[in-house]
Amino acid sequence: KAGVTQTPRYLIKTRGQQVTLSCSPISGHRSVSWYQQTPGQGLQFLFEYFSETQRNKGNFPGRFSGRQFSNSRSEMNVSTLELGDSALYLCASSLGLTVVYEQYFGPGTRLTVT
Amino acid sequence: DAKTTQPPSMDCAEGRAANLPCNHSTISGNEYVYWYRQIHSQGPQYIIHGLKNNETNEMASLIITEDRKSSTLILPHATLRDTAVYYCIVLILPQFYFGTGTSLTVIP
Repeated sequence: KAGVTQTPRYLIKTRGQQVTLSCSPISGHRSVSWYQQTPGQGLQFLFEYFSETQRNKGNFPGRFSGRQFSNSRSEMNVSTLELGDSALYLCASSLGLTVVYEQYFGPGTRLTVT
Repeated sequence: DAKTTQPPSMDCAEGRAANLPCNHSTISGNEYVYWYRQIHSQGPQYIIHGLKNNETNEMASLIITEDRKSSTLILPHATLRDTAVYYCIVLILPQFYFGTGTSLTVIP
């Protein structure tokens, strides 16, 4: 069974721009979560989507948003990029809500903001 | 406010047991403890999770103290492929809180 895929793997953007990252979960998985990983803050939870609805949200500003499609694929959008948004963005999928099921992580998208 | 505390690094001899500690003194009685590991340039990988009782699977054992203020992940026979950053995570609904991780180096 194919794992979680994320596209693109690497991205360079300029301050003020916006960016959209994509995540395809493992087939049959209905939950997708997004995390930000930086050297200073470590791994931080962004949000979780299940059945096209945002179920949980971490402590990030409204510039960070996401959505999930009927095929469970998810996108994450960051608007008005700041230098501090440079990070590895990880997507994880699970069969159901992550409070019950283990998460399978993708390789991440490395975003650099200049 | 950190929910978990882990030592930043540890070494372990190949073939020996690796014991990775985690303090989570502020969690309440119904909050799970999870362990994931991250090998360089890959996404984190699930290892094990537990609530109150000790747990064991094919990868590791998880020992949770009776007062639930700390836990220990045990890799019974460490191999070079176990070299990774190990994260102790608590689930405080509605989200997971990752610790800063312990970088485990398995030495030949």
